[in-house]
Amino acid sequence: EVQLVESGGGLVQPGGSLRLSCAASGFTFSNYWMSWVRQAPGKGLEWVANIKEDGSVKYSGDSVKGRFTISRDNAKNSLYLQMNSLRVEDTAVYYCARESFQPNVYYYGMDVWGQGTTVTVSS
Amino acid sequence: DIQMTQSPSSVSASVGDRVTITCRASQDITRWLAWYQQKPGRAPHLLIYAASNLQSGVPSRFSGSGSVTDFTLTINSLQPEDSATYYCQQANNLPFTFGPGTRVDI
Repeated sequence: EVQLVESGGGLVQPGGSLRLSCAASGFTFSNYWMSWVRQAPGKGLEWVANIKEDGSVKYSGDSVKGRFTISRDNAKNSLYLQMNSLRVEDTAVYYCARESFQPNVYYYGMDVWGQGTTVTVSS
Repeated sequence: DIQMTQSPSSVSASVGDRVTITCRASQDITRWLAWYQQKPGRAPHLLIYAASNLQSGVPSRFSGSGSVTDFTLTINSLQPEDSATYYCQQANNLPFTFGPGTRVDI
């Protein structure tokens, strides 16, 4: 079964750090771009960052640039999101997702999603 | 960044109705648009990619159309399980961006 399972969420104070993990199974992880998408309570979806199959290319959204770092370990079939200098507005459910994507060639969407992990930033 | 808008923000319809949701991009995104369905407390689910391609396993009552800046998601013969929020997402330019969502109530 193709599956993504996030972990690492929790309660953190403003200015703190947290590292999210996403464990992939049931498919060849190293063949896919991977992304993080978040959803603040009662709000819509916000794309956070994505990373190329081999980890050599990364993109991130303006709201997290310089604070969040996406990475992956293909040997462990795992995706990560290191979140530093956290703000109250980073409070959200964080989803990892598999992407079928080749820049400037095609985009076939995020076709597999995890169940999400909740990050709460509060003092 | 490319801004995405959706209309309507919410719609109430009956079982068997046809529902049309519109998504507009602030600039040309060719056909790199995806549609997702999200039910409360659940992760989003891919419905349509590349504007008009139905994702495997998605019922054929869902269809997508459009190009450049204007796109449409149509749900034919609305079913009770289609009650959800629907989001469009552009993937022509990074950072990728989502529309604000359209809630469909049955």
